[in-house]
Amino acid sequence: DGGITQSPKYLFRKEGQNVTLSCEQNLNHDAMYWYRQDPGQGLRLIYYSQIVNDFQKGDIAEGYSVSREKKESFPLTVTSAQKNPTAFYLCASSNPHQPQHFGDGTRLSIL
Amino acid sequence: KQEVTQIPAALSVPEGENLVLNCSFTDSAIYNLQWFRQDPGKGLTSLLLIQSSQREQTSGRLNASLDKSSGRSTLYIAASQPGDSATYLCAQPHGSSNTGKLIFGQGTTLQVKP
Repeated sequence: DGGITQSPKYLFRKEGQNVTLSCEQNLNHDAMYWYRQDPGQGLRLIYYSQIVNDFQKGDIAEGYSVSREKKESFPLTVTSAQKNPTAFYLCASSNPHQPQHFGDGTRLSIL
Repeated sequence: KQEVTQIPAALSVPEGENLVLNCSFTDSAIYNLQWFRQDPGKGLTSLLLIQSSQREQTSGRLNASLDKSSGRSTLYIAASQPGDSATYLCAQPHGSSNTGKLIFGQGTTLQVKP
């Protein structure tokens, strides 16, 4: 079955550490997105990529980095510069004007 | 600033009741509006997408309407069931760009009691 796979499901970060969240899709979608979800708030866009080897900052990109070396993969790195990383992270993909498909998310916490 | 608002934040109804969830948006020049469902600890599942040229979309017991002039969309759930308990989010594309970026509301958490 086609879909989006996010791993790990749970992740813990030590102070000063960078961590990378994985997102893989086999839907042959051109665009991929990373969102952050905090309790009581909607999703906020961190980064998005419309094509391989290209990506743009979303509304809350500070403290995060991404890469898009392959169409299927869009990993997100939460750097030590992100001072409040505890959140639920969601990855999505789509083709133009089509609904976005979401993964099951990664919950990141600070040790 | 483009905003999407959902009120109420939470709603509890008895099983079998028909209900309406509300979504308001500030940018009436929208391409489309989407409704999603989110179960606890899970990602989002797309329920309905209404194009700007349409007034409503239906899928089973769900009916979503779009009124661009008033900046409102509603999601109607008929004969609610406990399995409908979840958070429902609406979203519209960001501005007039074709990037696929979405602006989300905060969501309405629905509880259907048996």
